[in-house]
Amino acid sequence: KNEVEQSPQNLTAQEGEFITINCSYSVGISALHWLQQHPGGGIVSLFMLSSGKKKHGRLIATINIQEKHSSLHITASHPRDSAVYICAVRFALIQGAQKLVFGQGTRLTINP
Amino acid sequence: DGGITQSPKYLFRKEGQNVTLSCEQNLNHDAMYWYRQDPGQGLRLIYYSQIVNDFQKGDIAEGYSVSREKKESFPLTVTSAQKNPTAFYLCASSILAWRETQYFGPGTRLLVL
Repeated sequence: KNEVEQSPQNLTAQEGEFITINCSYSVGISALHWLQQHPGGGIVSLFMLSSGKKKHGRLIATINIQEKHSSLHITASHPRDSAVYICAVRFALIQGAQKLVFGQGTRLTINP
Repeated sequence: DGGITQSPKYLFRKEGQNVTLSCEQNLNHDAMYWYRQDPGQGLRLIYYSQIVNDFQKGDIAEGYSVSREKKESFPLTVTSAQKNPTAFYLCASSILAWRETQYFGPGTRLLVL
């Protein structure tokens, strides 16, 4: 079974803290996505990566293919970073088809 | 501005009733997707379409139907056969199916009366 596990499920921190959200998966993948879901429900794609590390502003995403693990880091966290962060992995099916499997999300709350 | 719109934001369904959720995109994307989100669970794929006049079932297609008559539009019908329709429904699109970043709409929350 292709599973995606995120930890922690809930995270509360103070403004300015360094945040780490983890994602582990069970099978080989083509790529991994990090998504942000705002309180209203809208989802924004943050990163798509298949190796190494990507950085955008205060957000950093890393992936270790051998260990089947990815992390999303937020530096100098701010209350506006409060959201649900979702990890999704893309893997290949037979005959060239692909599939996305989503984690259950990590709810992040940053207090001022 | 390019983007994906979903309507309505909230939808109420009576027992035995079919309802249709709208999804429109002006991003000129070939692929479109419908996902269902339930509390504490990851998004699950209902249907997807790689190109106009073509669509494929996802993991939880039972009780749902779709059409893709135009590139811009991918409506989802929740039929009376779907016994537990209360959920948050998200539409997404991408340039090509699966290999590209997916762009999501704002979602529709469906409630059963």
